[in-house]
Amino acid sequence: QKEVEQNSGPLSVPEGAIASLNCTYSDRGSQSFFWYRQYSGKSPELIMFIYSNGDKEDGRFTAQLNKASQYVSLLIRDSQPSDSATYLCAVNAGGTSYGKLTFGQGTILTVHP
Amino acid sequence: GAVVSQHPSWVICKSGTSVKIECRSLDFQATTMFWYRQFPKQSLMLMATSNEGSKATYEQGVEKDKFLINHASLTLSTLTVTSAHPEDSSFYICSARGDANSPLHFGNGTRLTVT
Repeated sequence: QKEVEQNSGPLSVPEGAIASLNCTYSDRGSQSFFWYRQYSGKSPELIMFIYSNGDKEDGRFTAQLNKASQYVSLLIRDSQPSDSATYLCAVNAGGTSYGKLTFGQGTILTVHP
Repeated sequence: GAVVSQHPSWVICKSGTSVKIECRSLDFQATTMFWYRQFPKQSLMLMATSNEGSKATYEQGVEKDKFLINHASLTLSTLTVTSAHPEDSSFYICSARGDANSPLHFGNGTRLTVT
């Protein structure tokens, strides 16, 4: 079983719709969770991070964390074509390994006009 | 926000030569930097953790004698790919954070092509 798994995609949504990206992780001791966006040929850029159970909203983005289910998701409201990219879920185990991220394989999102 | 600068953005080298990649934190002190590698259509894989003033910690399967890491100051870490081979061609990305509660920020990456 992979340590961090994302729905394989690719995910295609129409402009203006809600895109839902999902991620599960295997290490129950994981402390913090990150969503990165990566455009083709570019480095990942941080979208959001979440540490506590529940929802965290930032503009059109909402991250949801459920530690009991070992599940974290990212919702993108009012999706735009510029949101088309690969979205990477990353998990940090915490403790002495803080900052050492394990990445999922990424979900390719396409927002079509 | 935190800025991490990586140089060069791309490099082409001949097989057997060495290439040095620099990673700088521009507006914060980074006691820890991380080096990742990403092959086409794959996710990022951590290669090593670079700690200022001490030896780097390498992930399993990463040859420390081939990928030399130096973290001589709180704002600079370097990765040197020694005796590069075509299979080392990849996208190398560094990341850094300030304090323990700060998320990682990534450099722009270096695309290495070994011919």
